Amino acid sequence: DADVTQTPRNRITKTGKRIMLECSQTKGHDRMYWYRQDPGLGLRLIYYSFDVKDINKGEISDGYSVSRQAQAKFSLSLESAIPNQTALYFCATSEASMGTDTQYFGPGTRLTVL
Amino acid sequence: AQSVTQPDIHITVSEGASLELRCNYSYGATPYLFWYVQSPGQGLQLLLKYFSGDTLVQGIKGFEAEFKRSQSSFNLRKPSVHWSDAAEYFCAVGGRGSTLGRLYFGRGTQLTVWP
Repeated sequence: DADVTQTPRNRITKTGKRIMLECSQTKGHDRMYWYRQDPGLGLRLIYYSFDVKDINKGEISDGYSVSRQAQAKFSLSLESAIPNQTALYFCATSEASMGTDTQYFGPGTRLTVL
Repeated sequence: AQSVTQPDIHITVSEGASLELRCNYSYGATPYLFWYVQSPGQGLQLLLKYFSGDTLVQGIKGFEAEFKRSQSSFNLRKPSVHWSDAAEYFCAVGGRGSTLGRLYFGRGTQLTVWP
């Protein structure tokens, strides 16, 4: 089984709808992240969480919110989806040890907003 | 501010040829450096990483990268490319101290391999 799973893998929705993307991990990592990927722009950080009680905004948090329900679960919500939120969304996890940090990515969720 | 530049958007090489993908970064101190690969329809897989020590880093699938502080570069190399290496490659820089855990990605280099 995959260490980092994302559901759904694909989603098509309409403008104005509320959408939730879910991420679960079995790696036992404390840190979790949400990124979006757009062609030609690489990955950009939306939100990150270093533990259950810690939530931080990334580069592009406007229009998004997150919930860290447990150490293993980190959800991303689009309160009112708009077409320019059409993108590939990745969840990642990491565990800082010895002062270093390596992130491991889920398979991604492809979101289309019509 | 941290940033990563991958100057080449798209590279085409023949199978068996050598490969070098360029990455330049901007960071105020010694960064953590990573290369990830994304195959079509897949997530990102870690190829290799540099934290400290030997500036030549070996990774999976026969890749290596060299950290050159004077040039702010972390170029990825492979002596002989295989058709299965066709993918998109991302360089990333990570912070230390208060920014530990934040990764900043380049825009990616798409690699095409001709048979």
